[in-house]
Amino acid sequence: GAVVSQHPSRVICKSGTSVKIECRSLDFQATTMFWYRQFPKQSLMLMATSNEGSKATYEQGVEKDKFLINHASLTLSTLTVTSAHPEDSSFYICSAREGTESHEQYFGPGTRLTVT
Amino acid sequence: AQSVTQLGSHVSVSEGALVLLRCNYSSSVPPYLFWYVQYPNQGLQLLLKYTSAATLVKGINGFEAEFKKSETSFHLTKPSAHMSDAAEYFCAVTRRGAGTALIFGKGTTLSVSS
Repeated sequence: GAVVSQHPSRVICKSGTSVKIECRSLDFQATTMFWYRQFPKQSLMLMATSNEGSKATYEQGVEKDKFLINHASLTLSTLTVTSAHPEDSSFYICSAREGTESHEQYFGPGTRLTVT
Repeated sequence: AQSVTQLGSHVSVSEGALVLLRCNYSSSVPPYLFWYVQYPNQGLQLLLKYTSAATLVKGINGFEAEFKKSETSFHLTKPSAHMSDAAEYFCAVTRRGAGTALIFGKGTTLSVSS
């Protein structure tokens, strides 16, 4: 089946620094990747949608200058949290869609970000 | 706007009992509907999906769900709960006009006692 990986699985960084999270589709080409954020005991909130080779589309209320998304290839999307603050601590999950006809998304295992 | 409502943030059942997790959606057009399961500190695993074919959908691990348009519901059931079913369950609907971006319900925590 389709597999999506995320790296790192956990990261701790100091306030003010930046951290990059990678999302890779291992056995398929992902035309579209999605980034979600999940707070403890809560649901997933869509942050942005990224299509390979084009700028990401951010959801209302998500700061595009703070959460930089790059989808440079059909198998890799990155989320960079710039100038991180403790309130950015969260569980970040990516998902990927194969092709343009499928309605199914394949989810990565998530990245736990803790900003101290 | 599309939305998903999961009734009951926490459901507790005994091992071997029926599992029923409720999901209602709002959509002006026939949606695609999904149920996902999430174990602690892990990503989401697809249990089953409805994509305008059969209204009774069978998924993995013995789960199934029935799409009822008249009730705008897509409840998840399993005849006999197992301890390993304890997890967080999310119902989701595709968002109109945005490809396959998903809108999630708030989730239901399933506890299974022996």
